[in-house]
Amino acid sequence: EPEVTQTPSHQVTQMGQEVILRCVPISNHLYFYWYRQILGQKVEFLVSFYNNEISEKSEIFDDQFSVERPDGSNFTLKIRSTKLEDSAMYFCASSDFGVNEQYFGPGTRLTVT
Amino acid sequence: KQEVTQIPAALSVPEGENLVLNCSFTDSAIYNLQWFRQDPGKGLTSLLLIQSSQREQTSGRLNASLDKSSGRSTLYIAASQPGDSATYLCAGYGGATNKLIFGTGTLLAVQP
Repeated sequence: EPEVTQTPSHQVTQMGQEVILRCVPISNHLYFYWYRQILGQKVEFLVSFYNNEISEKSEIFDDQFSVERPDGSNFTLKIRSTKLEDSAMYFCASSDFGVNEQYFGPGTRLTVT
Repeated sequence: KQEVTQIPAALSVPEGENLVLNCSFTDSAIYNLQWFRQDPGKGLTSLLLIQSSQREQTSGRLNASLDKSSGRSTLYIAASQPGDSATYLCAGYGGATNKLIFGTGTLLAVQP
């Protein structure tokens, strides 16, 4: 069964460093998303991406964040200068259509020290 | 602004019991609603998607309903098993958006 994959599973970085989180969405899907979950809190939407551009972003998704689909299979989230409060589990998701079922990857646990 | 809440926050039941998890949302313009399961430290596994035109959806021992007029969805789990122990999340799509808005989750423990 097709699935969303994410790498790495755990990333530790120092405050101020840049990180890139990688995702491979399901191959025939057209909509891609990033969410995050701070420990003990709700899952929060960050950004959605369709047709090679951002279709929606949340207040969390400020200038420190960017997304890219560098080729036909990968979807990346970059955090330019990490802060302690960026420590969270980051989930990638994809769907074949905008309001259809979203499939989530296993997540990347980001720890900023 | 759409807000999603789930009651109860935690639930412990003996194996074999039928149970209901509740999800409520503030904006009846919700489009679709999706239920997920999350195991500790893991990703989100999609269980069911109820489209706005549907009132319920079934998968195995799971049955989810959606009542937009009352702003509620329920997830019914029949004949619970210890392997059902996890956090259950509901998430809805807003009216003009394709982002999911998540509830706080219900932590379910099924005792053998």
